[in-house]
Amino acid sequence: GQQLNQSPQSMFIQEGEDVSMNCTSSSIFNTWLWYKQDPGEGPVLLIALYKAGELTSNGRLTAQFGITRKDSFLNISASIPSDVGIYFCAGQYNTDKLIFGTGTRLQVFP
Amino acid sequence: EAQVTQNPRYLITVTGKKLTVTCSQNMNHEYMSWYRQDPGLGLRQIYYSMNVEVTDKGDVPEGYKVSRKEKRNFPLILESPSPNQTSLYFCASSLFLASSTDTQYFGPGTRLTVL
Repeated sequence: GQQLNQSPQSMFIQEGEDVSMNCTSSSIFNTWLWYKQDPGEGPVLLIALYKAGELTSNGRLTAQFGITRKDSFLNISASIPSDVGIYFCAGQYNTDKLIFGTGTRLQVFP
Repeated sequence: EAQVTQNPRYLITVTGKKLTVTCSQNMNHEYMSWYRQDPGLGLRQIYYSMNVEVTDKGDVPEGYKVSRKEKRNFPLILESPSPNQTSLYFCASSLFLASSTDTQYFGPGTRLTVL
């Protein structure tokens, strides 16, 4: 089955630092989504992107829909301990399927 | 409270012993889906359902069955579990998947171990 390449696989950063992660695909997507999974919980939607080139913010989070429609980026500014978790990108290319990335595990040290 | 519930949350079983993981949503959503999460592989879709009595295979359907007899419930059935089905399973639902304003809500997860 198709999967998205997400990098980095894991990040260990200090509180206050900025974080960047990305997702790439060989296929074009119509929608890009970013989810966060807290330990012991299911993923929760953070940001949804619907147009190529779109840049959307949600608090300290900013995500972009790549111009080629084959990639997306998520940035977290001024990280805090509660940012710890696994971040997943997901792409939708038709009306009934959502493909998830492999996840980026973020650890924030005080 | 709008939510997706799964039961059980944790299950340890033995190879070949049939089991069912239940999933229920109270949001009147049309679309429901099952995923499995494995380290380094992210979330992979097992089966999904666009509406009652309509189910389709996802990317990793082998060894699983589902049914959608009512809109709110979407159980995942493992007729003869094997150790390679040890994983963390998530059920999810959304009003539709096609809508650009839609959000997929995930359940809390079921951690399954097959010995």
